[in-house]
Amino acid sequence: AAGVIQSPRHLIKEKRETATLKCYPIPRHDTVYWYQQGPGQDPQFLISFYEKMQSDKGSIPDRFSAQQFSDYHSELNMSSLELGDSALYFCASSRDGKSGANVLTFGAGSRLTVL
Amino acid sequence: DAKTTQPNSMESNEEEPVHLPCNHSTISGTDYIHWYRQLPSQGPEYVIHGLTSNVNNRMASLAIAEDRKSSTLILHRATLRDAAVYYCILRDAGSSYKLIFGSGTRLLVRP
Repeated sequence: AAGVIQSPRHLIKEKRETATLKCYPIPRHDTVYWYQQGPGQDPQFLISFYEKMQSDKGSIPDRFSAQQFSDYHSELNMSSLELGDSALYFCASSRDGKSGANVLTFGAGSRLTVL
Repeated sequence: DAKTTQPNSMESNEEEPVHLPCNHSTISGTDYIHWYRQLPSQGPEYVIHGLTSNVNNRMASLAIAEDRKSSTLILHRATLRDAAVYYCILRDAGSSYKLIFGSGTRLLVRP
């Protein structure tokens, strides 16, 4: 079965550079979620999109932005990178995002290292 | 979202049942109880969810207290592959475009 695809899997950037992560949800899933997980931390919710509109927002820094495109894939853009942005970034997708009964499927993650 | 409380860690022997508790005393009537787990170096993975009745699937069982203030995830026969952090999460039935992870329980499975 098709899973959530994230790219790139690994990314190394310098401080103050920009990075873009991509997420391709499971076909027919209409909701995409982004999470950040620092070393030894639990996943932190950043932002979600339902039918290409932002649906909820968590602790996403102002330097980060995201969008969901017409084909439902999503991109997380991170600018002015800081050392503290080094983390695993997970994308997840689901159907009928508003329902508390829906199930999220997570991707394998993109590991960002900021030097 | 209502808060959940889980033990920081638990240990089990391989091939024995494991009962992972979760307290959620402030749960509302429309909150679903979800369990996810995260194996080392992997993304979180859905395990099971329920609203009021006990639930079973191929991975686990979910036992929900009658007052819904607590629940227990049951792994019937733990394997080494079940070693992970298990998260108990509440989600409102009709207004939840997010899944908020708390601290979770780190399960260690001894061979």
